[in-house]
Amino acid sequence: KNEVEQSPQNLTAQEGEFITINCSYSVGISALHWLQQHPGGGIVSLFMLSSGKKKHGRLIATINIQEKHSSLHITASHPRDSAVYICSYNTGNQFYFGTGTSLTVIP
Amino acid sequence: DTGVSQNPRHKITKRGQNVTFRCDPISEHNRLYWYRQTLGQGPEFLTYFQNEAQLEKSRLLSDRFSAERPKGSFSTLEIQRTEQGDSAMYLCASSLAGLSEKLFFGSGTQLSVL
Repeated sequence: KNEVEQSPQNLTAQEGEFITINCSYSVGISALHWLQQHPGGGIVSLFMLSSGKKKHGRLIATINIQEKHSSLHITASHPRDSAVYICSYNTGNQFYFGTGTSLTVIP
Repeated sequence: DTGVSQNPRHKITKRGQNVTFRCDPISEHNRLYWYRQTLGQGPEFLTYFQNEAQLEKSRLLSDRFSAERPKGSFSTLEIQRTEQGDSAMYLCASSLAGLSEKLFFGSGTQLSVL
């Protein structure tokens, strides 16, 4: 049973579009992570957040602890943003992962 | 710091053979995790170490799988008598235990069992 739900599973966007990927979880957590995985590549951590909002370049991550929900936004999307985005949380000694959202940005 | 290193990047083997993968974590990291990932899925937990102690192992993991981290540095994952269902990407990640624990992943070892 996957305790992390992501939506959508697949997303295709035109270059320049604003993109939102959603993540819901069912337990109390200490931190939520957004990860990026390029085809054939390793996984890179984008954000770790426990409250509010974080911004890094064109990427913004938000979390609502009470609603157990987080979103990852990409502004002015670019083809190099094409990747799988994975939501994850840890409970002290265990990490749980969503199945990922596969994003394709078309030029 | 060269990050988390995994070897080999690719392994093709015949069913029934044994395979061993190696992971070199970031040097100051005390935790090391092994995950398995198949196409379209997120990473699936296999096992993790804190220093040299193996603290948790997935209940779904067959006894054909074994992992070691003998000196609390590099780790090896061995699969005995491989089956076609073992074909997957095997990912290693390391971290520093604590409230702000963050995983750093290697590039993975892609295993194909023929």
